Amino acid sequence: DTGVSQDPRHKITKRGQNVTFRCDPISEHNRLYWYRQTLGQGPEFLTYFQNEAQLEKSRLLSDRFSAERPKGSFSTLEIQRTEQGDSAMYLCASSLDRKIGELFFGEGSRLTVL
Amino acid sequence: TQLLEQSPQFLSIQEGENLTVYCNSSSVFSSLQWYRQEPGEGPVLLVTVVTGGEVKKLKRLTFQFGDARKDSSLHITAAQTGDTGLYLCAGLSNFGNEKLTFGTGTRLTIIP
Repeated sequence: DTGVSQDPRHKITKRGQNVTFRCDPISEHNRLYWYRQTLGQGPEFLTYFQNEAQLEKSRLLSDRFSAERPKGSFSTLEIQRTEQGDSAMYLCASSLDRKIGELFFGEGSRLTVL
Repeated sequence: TQLLEQSPQFLSIQEGENLTVYCNSSSVFSSLQWYRQEPGEGPVLLVTVVTGGEVKKLKRLTFQFGDARKDSSLHITAAQTGDTGLYLCAGLSNFGNEKLTFGTGTRLTIIP
């Protein structure tokens, strides 16, 4: 399977705990995006990388959120001191530089904060 | 902030009927994409439109980009149960902002 993969698919945690999600993009894609989606809504942009450089972060991304993409390959999204409002589907997508509107999404990581 | 409003938010119709979903904004987009998302999965790209007034057809689906590149529509002919899903429009800014902004979504249910 050469699509975008995300891990874990589901995570249930208690408020205050830290969680980390991993995304492996399509290998030849140098752009990687993180989005958050709540039930019944469209995805909201969080951040994106071009290779290893993080080029933009949404104001939605508080100080508790951090994303990395070491070596321009896989990416991690960490949420520290989780809150119930962080419960959502976290979607990762990748694209080519020349087709930046055409995103290929993973199946998402669903976070539930109790 | 660029907002993409989709209408209707929910649509439930009988198999075989036709339908149109709308995507509107006050902002100009350099390109606009339509995605379909099924429960528990990520969105899947259906089409990209780039030129104002452009019309693209994908089997029973017809996509149109507004002349001013601020709005778009998706028309489905003779809907089938397999068309059920969340339809999302998404726009790429005309000002070099390289992130895709998604619409509010239209949840379509086709009743057999």
